[in-house]
Amino acid sequence: DAGVIQSPRHEVTEMGQEVTLRCKPISGHDYLFWYRQTMMRGLELLIYFNNNVPIDDSGMPEDRFSAKMPNASFSTLKIQPSEPRDSAVYFCASSLMRHANTEAFFGQGTRLTVV
Amino acid sequence: KNEVEQSPQNLTAQEGEFITINCSYSVGISALHWLQQHPGGGIVSLFMLSSGKKKHGRLIATINIQEKHSSLHITASHPRDSAVYICAVTGNQFYFGTGTSLTVIP
Repeated sequence: DAGVIQSPRHEVTEMGQEVTLRCKPISGHDYLFWYRQTMMRGLELLIYFNNNVPIDDSGMPEDRFSAKMPNASFSTLKIQPSEPRDSAVYFCASSLMRHANTEAFFGQGTRLTVV
Repeated sequence: KNEVEQSPQNLTAQEGEFITINCSYSVGISALHWLQQHPGGGIVSLFMLSSGKKKHGRLIATINIQEKHSSLHITASHPRDSAVYICAVTGNQFYFGTGTSLTVIP
């Protein structure tokens, strides 16, 4: 398996534009996580899915953010409209189980810059 | 107060030194993770443990559930170990430490 695949690797967009980040989890993994990393706040969990169903979205900063997982092999994180403070690296990770005796595998991340 | 505290925040070591990074947490957990983030930005999961000790090559991770404390040790450190090491715990939620930036000098 190629691991968790995220696209694009880099995204530069203007304030107000819609941004869509994509993630393909490892085949067979039933948990998918979206994280955001900034210098100020470090790593934060935004939302996670189990079997394509959103379980906890309490980390989603505001209504401008939305995430979907239409099937087991694909998820999107959308920001509309984007703002400069959304600039961060967004990571996607997948795992077989959320809790003990499993590890999360991370994608390479999408570096988002909103100007 | 952060639920997960790491120390030190920054660490510089000479090649070959034994390194210890500490992680203390204040919440009930089911597992603790050590992550490694290289300067290029990619994150790799090093260990996931819920008790005792795990070893992988030159890396050793220990956890004391009663004391709510974990340590990550690197033996015979090498410049390629230079990275940010992040402690994360899973319980009802995920909590992340702010990371320890390690630089190993040749």
